[in-house]
Amino acid sequence: KQEVTQIPAALSVPEGENLVLNCSFTDSAIYNLQWFRQDPGKGLTSLLLIQSSQREQTSGRLNASLDKSSGRSTLYIAASQPGDSATYLCAVTNYGQNFVFGPGTRLSVLP
Amino acid sequence: AAGVIQSPRHLIKEKRETATLKCYPIPRHDTVYWYQQGPGQDPQFLISFYEKMQSDKGSIPDRFSAQQFSDYHSELNMSSLELGDSALYFCASSLAGGIQRRSTEAFFGQGTRLTVV
Repeated sequence: KQEVTQIPAALSVPEGENLVLNCSFTDSAIYNLQWFRQDPGKGLTSLLLIQSSQREQTSGRLNASLDKSSGRSTLYIAASQPGDSATYLCAVTNYGQNFVFGPGTRLSVLP
Repeated sequence: AAGVIQSPRHLIKEKRETATLKCYPIPRHDTVYWYQQGPGQDPQFLISFYEKMQSDKGSIPDRFSAQQFSDYHSELNMSSLELGDSALYFCASSLAGGIQRRSTEAFFGQGTRLTVV
């Protein structure tokens, strides 16, 4: 059974810092990994999708990497802004199966 | 661009009542997922459909049922509601085309907040 963990559970940084969020999964036979952002009480916004054959994806200030063999992914946020404050969730899929989510990292970027 | 549409956005029901949540996936997406997110928790998978057939089942109570219709919209039916069913219910859609059904990027709706009183 796939299990996903995320470290840290919460993170508070001053504006402008670069930061790294970590995601680990137990079954490395994934098809893809997706990072989401969730604002309190709101829906899930897709940030980046990494296919199993890819090593990283970039979108603006976000960069996500994937190391399938070690069961890890990182989300790098450059030059953080207060508007980045949210919960960040990673989710993985295996063959023909649903997305399994991690518990999320609550990020606060202080002005 | 069209996104996943869920209705209603908010719903208040009393215990033992029934509720129906609707989901309209992104056009041409063939897979729909339902998730339940309790307060302070990560989304928990309930059920999914691929091409109108149930493809996977998670921690969905027997009191709940779901289906996907010919126009690909999906409905989650919840009966004998309990206080513990209060949560945010998300629908997501993706395109899982091809023989291997490798799921592509999933897009989530804004969710339906169900409150059972």
